[in-house]
Amino acid sequence: QKEVEQNSGPLSVPEGAIASLNCTYSDRGSQSFFWYRQYSGKSPELIMFIYSNGDKEDGRFTAQLNKASQYVSLLIRDSQPSDSATYLCAVNIRSGGSYIPTFGRGTSLIVHP
Amino acid sequence: GAVVSQHPSRVICKSGTSVKIECRSLDFQATTMFWYRQFPKQSLMLMATSNEGSKATYEQGVEKDKFLINHASLTLSTLTVTSAHPEDSSFYICSARNMGTSYEQYFGPGTRLTVT
Repeated sequence: QKEVEQNSGPLSVPEGAIASLNCTYSDRGSQSFFWYRQYSGKSPELIMFIYSNGDKEDGRFTAQLNKASQYVSLLIRDSQPSDSATYLCAVNIRSGGSYIPTFGRGTSLIVHP
Repeated sequence: GAVVSQHPSRVICKSGTSVKIECRSLDFQATTMFWYRQFPKQSLMLMATSNEGSKATYEQGVEKDKFLINHASLTLSTLTVTSAHPEDSSFYICSARNMGTSYEQYFGPGTRLTVT
């Protein structure tokens, strides 16, 4: 079982809709969770991080964390074509006394006009 | 804030030569930096974790004698690809973890290596 799982997509949504991206993880001891956006040919860019159960909002983005169910999600409201990218979920997984960032394979999001 | 630079952004070298890539955290101190490799349409692959003042920790399957990592200061880590071969051609990305915050990491813009 992979440590961080994401549906590879593509997820296609119309402009203005809400895009919902999901991620599950295997390590119950994980404490910190991140969402990155990666455009084709570019490096990842940090969008949000979340540490506590519940919702965290930043502009059009909302991260949701449920540690009991071991999932974290990202909602993008009023999706724009410029949001079309691959979204990477990352979880700091315990390894040998430290926390190592572990990435999912990413979900491709397509926002069509 | 939280800017990470990488140099060079693109390099073409001949097979058998060595290439050094620099990663710098410009406005924060980073005790830990990470080196990733990404092939086209594939996910990020962590190669090694670089800690300032100590030896890097390499992921399984990554040859430490081929990918030399040095983290000499809190703002600079280097990756040297020794005796490069065409199969080493890839997108190399570093990231730095801000020691003053809670474990988020910031990525450099990446280095595209082509070995001919």
